[in-house]
Amino acid sequence: EAQVTQNPRYLITVTGKKLTVTCSQNMNHEYMSWYRQDPGLGLRQIYYSMNVEVTDKGDVPEGYKVSRKEKRNFPLILESPSPNQTSLYFCASSLLIRRRDRVDEQFFGPGTRLTVL
Amino acid sequence: GESVGLHLPTLSVQEGDNSIINCAYSNSASDYFIWYKQESGKGPQFIIDIRSNMDKRQGQRVTVLLNKTVKHLSLQIAATQPGDSAVYFCAETRAGNKLTFGGGTRVLVKP
Repeated sequence: EAQVTQNPRYLITVTGKKLTVTCSQNMNHEYMSWYRQDPGLGLRQIYYSMNVEVTDKGDVPEGYKVSRKEKRNFPLILESPSPNQTSLYFCASSLLIRRRDRVDEQFFGPGTRLTVL
Repeated sequence: GESVGLHLPTLSVQEGDNSIINCAYSNSASDYFIWYKQESGKGPQFIIDIRSNMDKRQGQRVTVLLNKTVKHLSLQIAATQPGDSAVYFCAETRAGNKLTFGGGTRVLVKP
């Protein structure tokens, strides 16, 4: 089954304790992205990657790191989590976000609910 | 600043009626607009997209209209069903391949 998987689905942690949220897709997509979703703010892009070893900042990259060593994986790293990073996180992938005549559909993972105490 | 926003936070609609969800955008450089549906506890799901040089695009039970004069986007759902209850987001993309999402509209379908 074609899908985007995230782990863990739920995480409660404390301020300053490094954590990694994994994201994996089995569709051979070049493009991968991380979003956070907060009430009243919709989804905001954290980082995205056009291909292996190519990553770029989104709208809210502060406090986050990513890596793209393999095409299928795009982990999100919080080196020193803070309470303002409590949020619902989504990973997404697509062939390419924009082609000449159409948009390639982004497939979203199920989400990771993170609470930082 | 540049934004993609929604007029109504919640829309209640009778089952079988048509739904219209609206979205305003401010950046004329947007080249694609996309609608997503998010059901409770799930990630957003692509519904339909429209290129900025088009006025209308139809899918299965959905139609997206784009009015560039007033920078307005709408999603029409025909014969709304209980399974259409969800939060709907509009999003736009410009050169650079980055998506910018609006705040979302919750659609509640009444039986």
